[in-house]
Amino acid sequence: RKEVEQDPGPFNVPEGATVAFNCTYSNSASQSFFWYRQDCRKEPKLLMSVYSSGNEDGRFTAQLNRASQYISLLIRDSKLSDSATYLCVVNPPNDMRFGAGTRLTVKP
Amino acid sequence: DVKVTQSSRYLVKRTGEKVFLECVQDMDHENMFWYRQDPGLGLRLIYFSYDVKMKEKGDIPEGYSVSREKKERFSLILESASTNQTSMYLCASRPGTAYNSPLHFGNGTRLTVT
Repeated sequence: RKEVEQDPGPFNVPEGATVAFNCTYSNSASQSFFWYRQDCRKEPKLLMSVYSSGNEDGRFTAQLNRASQYISLLIRDSKLSDSATYLCVVNPPNDMRFGAGTRLTVKP
Repeated sequence: DVKVTQSSRYLVKRTGEKVFLECVQDMDHENMFWYRQDPGLGLRLIYFSYDVKMKEKGDIPEGYSVSREKKERFSLILESASTNQTSMYLCASRPGTAYNSPLHFGNGTRLTVT
């Protein structure tokens, strides 16, 4: 089993739609969690950290469920500019592990 | 703002060559990482380093070595490049003390081995 698993998609949604991604992780000792965004042929960039109580940043909401070992990302009112690959990142002790990414395309 | 700089954006090397990929960060971060990214496989950890002269193998260290002689610099070495090492290589750093600190990436080196 992979340490971090994501649905690869692709997710094709119209502008204005709400879309949600999930990510599961296997190491229960994982300490911190992040969502990154990666545009084609570019490096990943931090979208948001994920806190135990859940957190929101504008149209983006992240949730953590430690009991079930998954994190989620919700994007509301999708924009064309949200088209990218979204990577879930988990920090087991001492290193950082990435999911393979979920590809999102927002269409007009 | 954290800056992680990778020495080359694009690199073309021949099979059997020894290849050095350099990464420098300017934020005094203890932890540094080397990943490779391939379509459908995501980012895979090659090596990481907690601090100067310290290194740990990641998931796919075979065919690679690393060097961390100074805190700001983490080098990835392909001892004898092979075509299956054609990939995008990403360096990243983060502070060692704060467990909830994210990774900061360089802009990547796209290596082609012919």
